[in-house]
Amino acid sequence: QVQLKESGPGLVQPSETLSLTCTVSGFSLTSYSVSWVRQPSGKGPEWMGRMWYDGDTAYNSALKSRLSISRDTSKNQVFLKMNSLQTDDTGTYYCTRDDGLTTTVNWFAYWGQGTLVTVSS
Amino acid sequence: DTVLTQSPALAVSPGERVTISCRASESVSTGMHWYQQKPGQQPKLLIYGASNLESGVPARFSGSGSGTDFTLTIDPVEADDTATYFCQQSWNEYTFGAGTKLELK
Repeated sequence: QVQLKESGPGLVQPSETLSLTCTVSGFSLTSYSVSWVRQPSGKGPEWMGRMWYDGDTAYNSALKSRLSISRDTSKNQVFLKMNSLQTDDTGTYYCTRDDGLTTTVNWFAYWGQGTLVTVSS
Repeated sequence: DTVLTQSPALAVSPGERVTISCRASESVSTGMHWYQQKPGQQPKLLIYGASNLESGVPARFSGSGSGTDFTLTIDPVEADDTATYFCQQSWNEYTFGAGTKLELK
């Protein structure tokens, strides 16, 4: 069955870089795209960016200057790196599998359990 | 960015019909999707493409709308439906609403 699992440090110092890994199973990264979505406590989710099935990437324009997404298809892993973290980057970070009909009718049918990231000194 | 506006909270009695609205700041055609999230859990897809029921989701849930105004309907509401409901659009980049918290009386 389709599974996604996030891993990474729970605590990051302000101004430092966050590195997260999403390990997937039950589908191929060359057939499906994977997105990163984050959610501050008590607020709505925010789409961060996507690793397309063909290896291309897309980023939220508000985060583009700080964000990088990459993958290792041999390990079934997608990586997120975001620099210059601040306290308002605190929240739960999810990876999701993208499903859809086209690039404009696209939804998140499968989610990882999420990993809580706290930005604090 | 396309802003999605949802009412913050609703309270209904079990067995009633509830409609949860989502208004987009610009047209998103049928690129609107709905999720349910319970405390401590990841969001769960309910409706995709404005009106299509995700596999395994009870038929009590339905979605409608196009353009800028969308509705998620639960009929009848059950106690287990207590949760926060988010809309998400995929037509203009990707954005989510702030969520509607559904409570049962």
